[in-house]
Amino acid sequence: EAGVVQSPRYKIIEKKQPVAFWCNPISGHNTLYWYLQNLGQGPELLIRYENEEAVDDSQLPKDRFSAERLKGVDSTLKIQPAELGDSAVYLCASSLGTGQQFFGPGTRLTVL
Amino acid sequence: AQSVTQLGSHVSVSEGALVLLRCNYSSSVPPYLFWYVQYPNQGLQLLLKYTTGATLVKGINGFEAEFKKSETSFHLTKPSAHMSDAAEYFCAVSTFSGGGADGLTFGKGTHLIIQP
Repeated sequence: EAGVVQSPRYKIIEKKQPVAFWCNPISGHNTLYWYLQNLGQGPELLIRYENEEAVDDSQLPKDRFSAERLKGVDSTLKIQPAELGDSAVYLCASSLGTGQQFFGPGTRLTVL
Repeated sequence: AQSVTQLGSHVSVSEGALVLLRCNYSSSVPPYLFWYVQYPNQGLQLLLKYTTGATLVKGINGFEAEFKKSETSFHLTKPSAHMSDAAEYFCAVSTFSGGGADGLTFGKGTHLIIQP
């Protein structure tokens, strides 16, 4: 069974540029999460989807961050415009709703 | 609201020695508790989880953890450390709402160092 797939694995951009991250969850997992992990810290939840509905986006900085999961399968997280402080690892996870989440390898973003 | 505290950002043990990583949580409802391991430049891998039932849970790679409600703790142990155990370990708590599992709340992590 394939795991959670994320792309790209690494991204380097200049500040004020837009960037997008893509996530394909494990087949059949209706719940999808995006997390932000700063260096030396634990991941922090950005948004949680149940199918195509964002049920918890309270921690998503909506002035520059947006996310979508149009067909309830794969998802895209976007930052526009990126700031220096956005440099971090962006993790995607999926779940069947049992509490156990399966994580992808993450996208490491560097903003110059 | 819930929170997780991991005591010790770095723990160093000798190969073959006992590993003990401490985790305390706070939660207003019965929690689901998890330990994840993260190797450099990789995602998080589940070591073990507590949902309901037996409070001593066994995980992969010889790790186990005990849920102690009275102490609000979920410490991770392994009887004999191996060099391959060197990694970052995260304790996390979750609850259920909105028909599914909430996002995990993680501790800051403990970096486990194994000395030969």
